[in-house]
Amino acid sequence: EAQVTQNPRYLITVTGKKLTVTCSQNMNHEYMSWYRQDPGLGLRQIYYSMNVEVTDKGDVPEGYKVSRKEKRNFPLILESPSPNQTSLYFCASSFGGGNEKLFFGSGTQLSVL
Amino acid sequence: DAKTTQPTSMDCAEGRAANLPCNHSTISGNEYVYWYRQIHSQGPQYIIHGLKNNETNEMASLIITEDRKSSTLILPHATLRDTAVYYCIVRGYTSNDYKLSFGAGTTVTVRA
Repeated sequence: EAQVTQNPRYLITVTGKKLTVTCSQNMNHEYMSWYRQDPGLGLRQIYYSMNVEVTDKGDVPEGYKVSRKEKRNFPLILESPSPNQTSLYFCASSFGGGNEKLFFGSGTQLSVL
Repeated sequence: DAKTTQPTSMDCAEGRAANLPCNHSTISGNEYVYWYRQIHSQGPQYIIHGLKNNETNEMASLIITEDRKSSTLILPHATLRDTAVYYCIVRGYTSNDYKLSFGAGTTVTVRA
């Protein structure tokens, strides 16, 4: 089944403790992206990747890192999480970066205490 | 990507058609109009997309004005399960900029 898989689904952590949220897709998509969703603000793009080893900033990249060493995986790294990064996170992928529909993961609810 | 403007919320009666408007006055010639919806806090789900012509699939219809500055998503017979946040975005190839954020969308509540 074609899907985007995120893990974990829920994560509670403390300020400053490094964490990684994983994202994997099985559709051989070139484009992958991370979003955060906060009440009333829609989905804001954090980082995106056009292909392996090609990443770029979205609208809200501060405090986040990403890597794209393999086509299928696009992990989101929070080196030193802070409470303002408490949010619902979504990973998405598509065949390309232009006119192709996005497939979304189920989301990761992160709470930073 | 061009910005879009949608109403914050709207109600619809079950069994009736729901018409969701979207303004995208700065859309460029190679940008498509896409609609997604998000039920509760699940990942957004693709509904439909189009460039110039009206489009229809098993979920909805998309009407794009001739000048392409606005569009309407039509849910022909709304059900309670159509209660969701609906996002209108425009997406296409514009130089090397592949940023894509979603606005707050329209919260649609279908009432029995």
